[in-house]
Amino acid sequence: NAGVTQTPKFQVLKTGQSMTLQCAQDMNHEYMSWYRQDPGMGLRLIHYSVGAGITDQGEVPNGYNVSRSTTEDFPLRLLSAAPSQTSVYFCASSYRTAKPYEQYFGPGTRLTVT
Amino acid sequence: GQQLNQSPQSMFIQEGEDVSMNCTSSSIFNTWLWYKQDPGEGPVLLIALYKAGELTSNGRLTAQFGITRKDSFLNISASIPSDVGIYFCAGPFAGGTSYGKLTFGQGTILTVHP
Repeated sequence: NAGVTQTPKFQVLKTGQSMTLQCAQDMNHEYMSWYRQDPGMGLRLIHYSVGAGITDQGEVPNGYNVSRSTTEDFPLRLLSAAPSQTSVYFCASSYRTAKPYEQYFGPGTRLTVT
Repeated sequence: GQQLNQSPQSMFIQEGEDVSMNCTSSSIFNTWLWYKQDPGEGPVLLIALYKAGELTSNGRLTAQFGITRKDSFLNISASIPSDVGIYFCAGPFAGGTSYGKLTFGQGTILTVHP
């Protein structure tokens, strides 16, 4: 199993550009989520999904969109990048009912917005 | 919103020393988790705690679920250089339908000098 994979690993955007961060898992996990990590602030939940076709907002959803068309994939879209979105982004997955809080994280995408 | 406060924020220790860190919450948690993040990687689950008073070990790591359900502790015995990283506590967002939604502490940065 590859676990949770994320692409790209690094990305630089100009203000106003759009892009999609990719996340995929091969563990048949129902639950997937996106976090951002900023220095001294831990990880903050952006959006999450409890299954294909179902998504909801986390703590810091503004400026980000998600969709979940398959169990395996959960892309995160930045429609118009802003410098405040410079961060490290992590995707995570887990089983929905059995131990849903024991999440597996991807390696992260380091995004810089200039 | 819910806040998890970790202490200390950083630690500089000599190889072979024991380490203690803790996490406190303003509200009651039913689950506590401890994750470790190696430099440049995503967090990895170390220990999950599901019952107040529970004491669980994973090798040289021991974590406890506080009796008040508002705190948790992580101890590392006989530290080694590969213990370097950021240690996060985490717990579920409040709410019965939160499934896998986690809130994280700000992290404890551990540096081990050989």
